[in-house]
Order: sequence, then structure tokens, then C-alpha cells
Amino acid sequence: EVQLVESGGGLVRPGGSLRLSCAVSGFTFGSYEMNWVRQAPGKGLEWISYISSEGRTIYYADSVKGRFTISRDNARNSLYLQMNSLRAEDTAVYYCARDYDFWGHFDYWGQGTLVTVSS
Amino acid sequence: DIQLTQSPSSLSASVGDRVTITCRASQGISKYLAWYQQKPGKVPKVLIYAASTLQSGVPSRFSGSGSGTDFTLTISSLQPEDVATYYCQKYNSAPRTFGQGTRVEIK
Repeated sequence: EVQLVESGGGLVRPGGSLRLSCAVSGFTFGSYEMNWVRQAPGKGLEWISYISSEGRTIYYADSVKGRFTISRDNARNSLYLQMNSLRAEDTAVYYCARDYDFWGHFDYWGQGTLVTVSS
Repeated sequence: DIQLTQSPSSLSASVGDRVTITCRASQGISKYLAWYQQKPGKVPKVLIYAASTLQSGVPSRFSGSGSGTDFTLTISSLQPEDVATYYCQKYNSAPRTFGQGTRVEIK
């Protein structure tokens, strides 16, 4: 069974940092591209980052470029999102999501982890 | 960047009604469009990909059509369990933009 489990969310002050993790199981992690998607409270879905299967190709949404860093450890079956210089508008549930195939739709999602940026 | 505009932003329909949601891309995206359903408090779930391919396990009352810039999600006979917000997404290149969502309620 495919599973994606996010962790690392919590309350952080503006300007602070947080590292999210997404632990996966049930598939060959190193063969799939991965993404982070977030959803602010009561708002829609926002794609924020993509990483290729070997980690060589990375993209970010403009809203997080220069502040967030996506990475992965295929040996540990884990995806990460390092978030720096956090702002109130980064408050959201953060989901990791798997590409169905190369640049495909998102076929599996984690349950999400809530990040709250507040003083 | 390519923008996706969904309409309507919300709708209320009766059980058994045919419901149509549209998604318009600011530039052509061929058929690289997916539709997701997000029920209240739940994780998004893919319904349709490649504009018209039904995800395994999704009821056949859901269908998708379109290519280029204009796409449609249709629920042929609305059921109470279809109450949700529906999002379109273009996925073939970054940024992998989502539409703003369409909330579907039962009248």
C-alpha cells in the first residue's frame, strides 16, 4: 500500500525556520518525482515545489523561491522541505504528493502537516 | 506563467442534477489537465487526468473533456457524497498551477 506521511509542522515565529519531512512506503521512491503543495486555511491548493526522481531538477513557485528548499534522500525514502524566513502568509497545511509518472498528475497525497507562522 | 480560471466559484444543485464545471487556461496546455476532488477536512483525490481519463475507482458519473485552453468536468447525476471543492490543475510543466476551486453543494 502506498503511504506518504508528513511530519515536522508546528508553530513558528515570523522569520523562523522549519523542516518538513515526508516519509514514503509502498513504492520505489527513487523512481518517482515528488512535490509539495500547500493550502492556507479556507483557501485553495497551491503547488510550491517539484523535485525529480534523482533530485537533479528542482522547481519552486515564485511565492517561496529563495526561502524554501526541497530535497530528497532516496536511501531513506524521504522527501524534505526546508522553510526559512517564514511569513504569516506561509501558514498552511503542507502536503507531499507523488507524480503518477514523469510530469504526470498527482496520484498519491500525504495527509498533510500544519505549519502556523505567528508571533 | 499559465493561469487557470475555474467557473463557477460555487454552485448549488439538487440530487440527480447534471453539474458542469469549467476550467480555462490562459495558454494552451494540450490535454495536460487533471481534476481533483477535496471533501471537507480531507486530502485531495484525483478524479480525472489527461483531461478525460477517469482515475481507477472513480464513479463513472464523473467525466472530463477538453483540450488546449477549455476544459470541463461533468457530474452526470449529482449525489450527496459529491459535496466537495473541485480543482483543476495543469501538470506538464512548472509552475503546476491549480485553479481557484469550485465548491459544490446540495440544494
